[in-house]
Amino acid sequence: DSGVTQTPKHLITATGQRVTLRCSPRSGDLSVYWYQQSLDQGLQFLIHYYNGEERAKGNILERFSAQQFPDLHSELNLSSLELGDSALYFCASTSFLYPNTGELFFGEGSRLTVL
Amino acid sequence: AQSVTQLGSHVSVSEGALVLLRCNYSSSVPPYLFWYVQYPNQGLQLLLKYTSAATLVKGINGFEAEFKKSETSFHLTKPSAHMSDAAEYFCAVSALNTGGFKTIFGAGTRLFVKA
Repeated sequence: DSGVTQTPKHLITATGQRVTLRCSPRSGDLSVYWYQQSLDQGLQFLIHYYNGEERAKGNILERFSAQQFPDLHSELNLSSLELGDSALYFCASTSFLYPNTGELFFGEGSRLTVL
Repeated sequence: AQSVTQLGSHVSVSEGALVLLRCNYSSSVPPYLFWYVQYPNQGLQLLLKYTSAATLVKGINGFEAEFKKSETSFHLTKPSAHMSDAAEYFCAVSALNTGGFKTIFGAGTRLFVKA
């Protein structure tokens, strides 16, 4: 158990719909990273938040957005869903302890299926 | 800029045989290097990491990797494969930039272990 929790584990929805994925980082960790894993694209970095602030954006579509709340949990919002958005969405956090090497602690993921 | 190349999307070995998974990286700054493992329906978990200390790094489950700067490689090995090693393995490079750590993952290598 990495200490990172993600909900829901599985989600099935239709094209055009909107979903919200939730992530709680390890206790004390301030950073949250979101990744998308699909068969054709591999593991793609979406976005990074640190203590409530967006720090870096990767290959995140405009239809997707995220935020990190004061209690440090994060939500990834996916809207106007398309078939190609079907994937595993992972959340990860990094240690707040020094020295920080960028080691990522992953949740078990949310599997999104768009029909 | 950073990049990671994993040679071979699939590797098959017999139980008891040597496991060798190849990874080459590029990084404009001294990198931190990682191997993560993903078992079916699970998130990624750390196998081992290189953080500029010893070039030969030992990880969990008998795996080790050697950092070779001259070859920009970080290959993963295990002397004797076990059935439980069947999983997907990801090499990753991480570096600290202004926004925090940026981690790039390779495409992954799926390891099959034959009885």
